[in-house]
Amino acid sequence: AQKITQTQPGMFVQEKEAVTLDCTYDTSDQSYGLFWYKQPSSGEMIFLIYQGSYDEQNATEGRYSLNFQKARKSANLVISASQLGDSAMYFCAMREATDKLIFGTGTRLQVFP
Amino acid sequence: DGGITQSPKYLFRKEGQNVTLSCEQNLNHDAMYWYRQDPGQGLRLIYYSQIVNDFQKGDIAEGYSVSREKKESFPLTVTSAQKNPTAFYLCASSSPGNTEAFFGQGTRLTVV
Repeated sequence: AQKITQTQPGMFVQEKEAVTLDCTYDTSDQSYGLFWYKQPSSGEMIFLIYQGSYDEQNATEGRYSLNFQKARKSANLVISASQLGDSAMYFCAMREATDKLIFGTGTRLQVFP
Repeated sequence: DGGITQSPKYLFRKEGQNVTLSCEQNLNHDAMYWYRQDPGQGLRLIYYSQIVNDFQKGDIAEGYSVSREKKESFPLTVTSAQKNPTAFYLCASSSPGNTEAFFGQGTRLTVV
């Protein structure tokens, strides 16, 4: 069954340090996509990064990179050089070939000076 | 500008009344989604639709209904059968091959 698991309810990181947010997934599909979104306290969903199941290279977008380990079914988000504005909820999501798009329970990241 | 619009932003209803949340997109996306989010929680899928006149139940469809008569529109009705309807509702859209799912700004529903 399709499932996304985020095991870290909360994470703390010091400004300018890197942080890894964990995400594991379960699917029987060969073709799927993995997403990360940021949700600040305003509630809007901000797209960060995407990884396709057939992409051989790990996705990167500025300070965000996705550590994709297909055999382990993990898609961890790495944020480099954390900023105070990175404090938010972070959600991992997966879309299968049926277009069903599901989300994990999220990780609350807090960046401190 | 292309985007996805949810209205209203805040909605108050009396217990026992049905209420319909609007979601419109002009991105020409095939798939549309409705999610419910409770405070401090993740997004739970209510319904999704891949094409016009077709939709699928998500994980928490009980007490909700949807329609997809037009590609651009995917309204969600919260019925009186939904036991705890107060929540933040998010609509999203995407298409096969899209590397991003687009979200509306959300509707915060309060039932009193």
